[in-house]
Amino acid sequence: KQEVTQIPAALSVPEGENLVLNCSFTDSAIYNLQWFRQDPGKGLTSLLLIQSSQREQTSGRLNASLDKSSGRSTLYIAASQPGDSATYLCAVHNTDKLIFGTGTRLQVFP
Amino acid sequence: NAGVTQTPKFQVLKTGQSMTLQCAQDMNHNSMYWYRQDPGMGLRLIYYSASEGTTDKGEVPNGYNVSRLNKREFSLRLESAAPSQTSVYFCASSEIGSGSGYEQYFGPGTRLTVT
Repeated sequence: KQEVTQIPAALSVPEGENLVLNCSFTDSAIYNLQWFRQDPGKGLTSLLLIQSSQREQTSGRLNASLDKSSGRSTLYIAASQPGDSATYLCAVHNTDKLIFGTGTRLQVFP
Repeated sequence: NAGVTQTPKFQVLKTGQSMTLQCAQDMNHNSMYWYRQDPGMGLRLIYYSASEGTTDKGEVPNGYNVSRLNKREFSLRLESAAPSQTSVYFCASSEIGSGSGYEQYFGPGTRLTVT
């Protein structure tokens, strides 16, 4: 059974820091991996989708990498801002289902 | 485009009552999904519909039924609500099944409390 783990569960950093969020999964036979952002009381916003044949994807200050063989993905946020404060979720696509991690709650303080 | 819409946004039910959560998407997506989100448990798949006319169980289907009314709409029904069904419910859609590499897009959620 696929299990997805995100470490750390919570992170508090000062504005301007570069930071890395980690996601690991137990079954490397995935189709792709998707990173989401969730603001308190809101729905999920898709940030990046990495297909299984890709190693990384970039969008603005965000860069996500995927290493299927080791069962890991990282989300790199450059020059963090208070507006980046949210919960970040990773999810792996197995056949026709998404399996979610429990998220990393990020707070960026001025 | 509105994307994925859900109604209602909030609902309080008494144990044993029934209700239907509505979801609609205007992106002409084939696949639609219902998830629940609980503290410490993450999002878990309740039911999904890979295409119009088909539905399948996810990880936590007990106590729920679904209807894929047409390509746009996918409803979730609680026949006899229980306090364990207190949760936030999200609907999502994707162009075709997630195994194809297509992103899933989420609605804003329905916050349900069962007393």
